[in-house]
Amino acid sequence: DQQVKQNSPSLSVQEGRISILNCDYTNSMFDYFLWYKKYPAEGPTFLISISSIKDKNEDGRFTVFLNKSAKHLSLHIVPSQPGDSAVYFCAASRSGGGADGLTFGKGTHLIIQP
Amino acid sequence: EPEVTQTPSHQVTQMGQEVILRCVPISNHLYFYWYRQILGQKVEFLVSFYNNEISEKSEIFDDQFSVERPDGSNFTLKIRSTKLEDSAMYFCASSDPGGTRLNQPQHFGDGTRLSIL
Repeated sequence: DQQVKQNSPSLSVQEGRISILNCDYTNSMFDYFLWYKKYPAEGPTFLISISSIKDKNEDGRFTVFLNKSAKHLSLHIVPSQPGDSAVYFCAASRSGGGADGLTFGKGTHLIIQP
Repeated sequence: EPEVTQTPSHQVTQMGQEVILRCVPISNHLYFYWYRQILGQKVEFLVSFYNNEISEKSEIFDDQFSVERPDGSNFTLKIRSTKLEDSAMYFCASSDPGGTRLNQPQHFGDGTRLSIL
């Protein structure tokens, strides 16, 4: 039961260019969405989030876009840097978080080429 | 920056034995969580804990699992009789309800790798 889907297992982008990571969800009860970055042997690190009342949230080089009608969100990283090479997870929850556990996608391995 | 800490980083246990995984959440956070990630699979939610009781649990969190906040700083996950399929990375997380209890990200520790032999 894949309620959160990341259909690209990997993505290779040249340094300095834009990285776009995509995520689709099926559960219309989800109203809070997050992106996490994970290096090997470390836990997921929170990057950026968006609530369902917004369609865009920006934090430095990271922007998340939410299209509720399409049940789709994306993470844009501009410009991409070598340190951005990691696995990126999309996650979603109901009722703005709190007691609700997060539902994760399988992740996209982003590789930034010099 | 405050962080969630987990011990041990790697735990090896014989099948059938009890294991306790330990976590120290971020000090002013009020919600605590356990997740697991079996090798090659998704991160999966196990349980959330608030105000000294379980708030929500997944179908994975059966009678073999229990959680406890034994003091003001630690949060533990106990597996009573481990099985081979319990081998996974276990992540602890915490979040701050921020008054409105809305839209507060969960912050994760670096995990405990549990290997069942």
